[in-house]
Amino acid sequence: GAVVSQHPSRVICKSGTSVKIECRSLDFQATTMFWYRQFPKQSLMLMATSNEGSKATYEQGVEKDKFLINHASLTLSTLTVTSAHPEDSSFYICSARLAGTAYEQYFGPGTRLTVT
Amino acid sequence: AQSVSQHNHHVILSEAASLELGCNYSYGGTVNLFWYVQYPGQHLQLLLKYFSGDPLVKGIKGFEAEFIKSKFSFNLRKPSVQWSDTAEYFCAVKNGNNRLAFGKGNQVVVIP
Repeated sequence: GAVVSQHPSRVICKSGTSVKIECRSLDFQATTMFWYRQFPKQSLMLMATSNEGSKATYEQGVEKDKFLINHASLTLSTLTVTSAHPEDSSFYICSARLAGTAYEQYFGPGTRLTVT
Repeated sequence: AQSVSQHNHHVILSEAASLELGCNYSYGGTVNLFWYVQYPGQHLQLLLKYFSGDPLVKGIKGFEAEFIKSKFSFNLRKPSVQWSDTAEYFCAVKNGNNRLAFGKGNQVVVIP
């Protein structure tokens, strides 16, 4: 149980285009999902906290207009990278917190974004 | 802001050797502590966690970690590693804001 999927697993796009990444909790409800970014040989950096039915909370330094987050249901959150630039190339990972708990986070497999 | 430090990013050891990975955090309040593992090509998985109680925590696959409050540490240990323990290990701390802060990770390679 507690499986989180991400789609796509890899995506290549051209500069200036937008890319949408989906995060789904497959067998549980997640009122809260988190979006992380991981650079090579670096830690996971929290970008934003996504709450179902409300606006996402962005970490300091993360452009909310560039990284649009929508959490429309208890099992789906999306991250849209708008007007992508090569420096947005990274590994994006989502996690979902089991509804009713404060601690249990389950991670998706990640999405490798390459902007050319 | 709180931070999590992991030292010795690359660790190479032989099978049956003992492993200890250090984790220090800088946060004075109540924390919850986690170790996650990421096997090659797979997603992050929880190894073990500490919320309260016995500071020596047993996790999956023979791992354990000890919380030492006075040292702000939560070191991970395994007495005898196997080749299948080759992975990246991340220490994480959750503070009162319910956010996880991760360390930079330890890349562990176990040589058969």
